[in-house]
Amino acid sequence: GAGVSQTPSNKVTEKGKYVELRCDPISGHTALYWYRQSLGQGPEFLIYFQGTGAADDSGLPNDRFFAVRPEGSVSTLKIQRTERGDSAVYLCASSLSAGTGANVLTFGAGSRLTVL
Amino acid sequence: GQNIDQPTEMTATEGAIVQINCTYQTSGFNGLFWYQQHAGEAPTFLSYNVLDGLEEKGRFSSFLSRSKGYSYLLLKELQMKDSASYLCVLSDSNYQLIWGAGTKLIIKP
Repeated sequence: GAGVSQTPSNKVTEKGKYVELRCDPISGHTALYWYRQSLGQGPEFLIYFQGTGAADDSGLPNDRFFAVRPEGSVSTLKIQRTERGDSAVYLCASSLSAGTGANVLTFGAGSRLTVL
Repeated sequence: GQNIDQPTEMTATEGAIVQINCTYQTSGFNGLFWYQQHAGEAPTFLSYNVLDGLEEKGRFSSFLSRSKGYSYLLLKELQMKDSASYLCVLSDSNYQLIWGAGTKLIIKP
């Protein structure tokens, strides 16, 4: 698509529930990133994909978080047994390719997750 | 380790000039980015520096000194719409992006 699309834009859930957040990157972008951002903070890296594979998942906070990109395009971030501390804006970004210096990221509008 | 420091908040007057500084420590370096983020919106790319010196792009300029681990973003002829957070982002030796916490810029009339 023309830009990075994220759905849902807002998600309110109860503690302990399962949540999926979806990201549709710019067509042709092989690199896809997930970040989360809390108020007043910079984006916190979670995971990035180069194609279908997770090239770096070192930012995932624990095993409740998982992400997939089965066909090298759309990605889904999955959060199990949500906790109140998971509340944040989850940002997805894509770029032509990672592993280069001038790797400019284009971000989606984000998915705001609130865990009650 | 890697670390980025930038002021938490700055205030400036419409029509004036403001300089937002960023200092960093890293063992490897593959460039430095500046992103702009308006409240409630996603970050958008402003500039990229990999060599020392000044890169000018309209009202915005970005400067880099690799030996000093220092960059700044210079905004001229400030407009109210420039009120936003400005994020300094380091690309390390593995091309991983390290994000600063951002500087919230408040423009007053």
